[in-house]
Amino acid sequence: SQTIHQWPATLVQPVGSPLSLECTVEGTSNPNLYWYRQAAGRGLQLLFYSVGIGQISSEVPQNLSASRPQDRQFILSSKKLLLSDSGFYLCAWSGTSRVEQYFGPGTRLTVT
Amino acid sequence: AQSVTQPDIHITVSEGASLELRCNYSYGATPYLFWYVQSPGQGLQLLLKYFSGDTLVQGIKGFEAEFKRSQSSFNLRKPSVHWSDAAEYFCAVAHNNNDMRFGAGTRLTVKP
Repeated sequence: SQTIHQWPATLVQPVGSPLSLECTVEGTSNPNLYWYRQAAGRGLQLLFYSVGIGQISSEVPQNLSASRPQDRQFILSSKKLLLSDSGFYLCAWSGTSRVEQYFGPGTRLTVT
Repeated sequence: AQSVTQPDIHITVSEGASLELRCNYSYGATPYLFWYVQSPGQGLQLLLKYFSGDTLVQGIKGFEAEFKRSQSSFNLRKPSVHWSDAAEYFCAVAHNNNDMRFGAGTRLTVKP
């Protein structure tokens, strides 16, 4: 069966510091991968998606970036965090020809 | 513009009572439809999905949803709510595997 992992689970970072969140999927190959942000009490905002290694599409212009160095690894980064980057970050995957997405446990990021 | 609306921000029901969570969408054609559930501090879990065929779909944890094309709705139902159903529920729609859109969510509180 497929499993999706995210780490760290929680993170507190000062404004202006760098960020690296990691997501990995097990039990499937060539998945589509997604990064979402969920602000407190709000729905999900799609940040990036990837259909293959090195292929990244950005949905929202911001100071975040994403990379996919391996088939089942998706990384969310920032060079300098802003207060507004605080939130709950969720990684998700879907099969290549499937629409439904499956979510990881999330990372709670607090920028102070 | 494509949109997903969950009219109820917060619903409270008594344990054992029936539940209906509303979802309406605005899309150019019938999209794929989903309901997800999120417990506090957790990722999203897929409850059920509708792609085509029978308009009443069964999901996990005793949930079901009915697609009504004439009303552009996909309401989630459960005949008898358990205390463990207390969570945030998200309706989502998609036309393909890269454009899933989520509603703002409905928070369910279950009274003993």
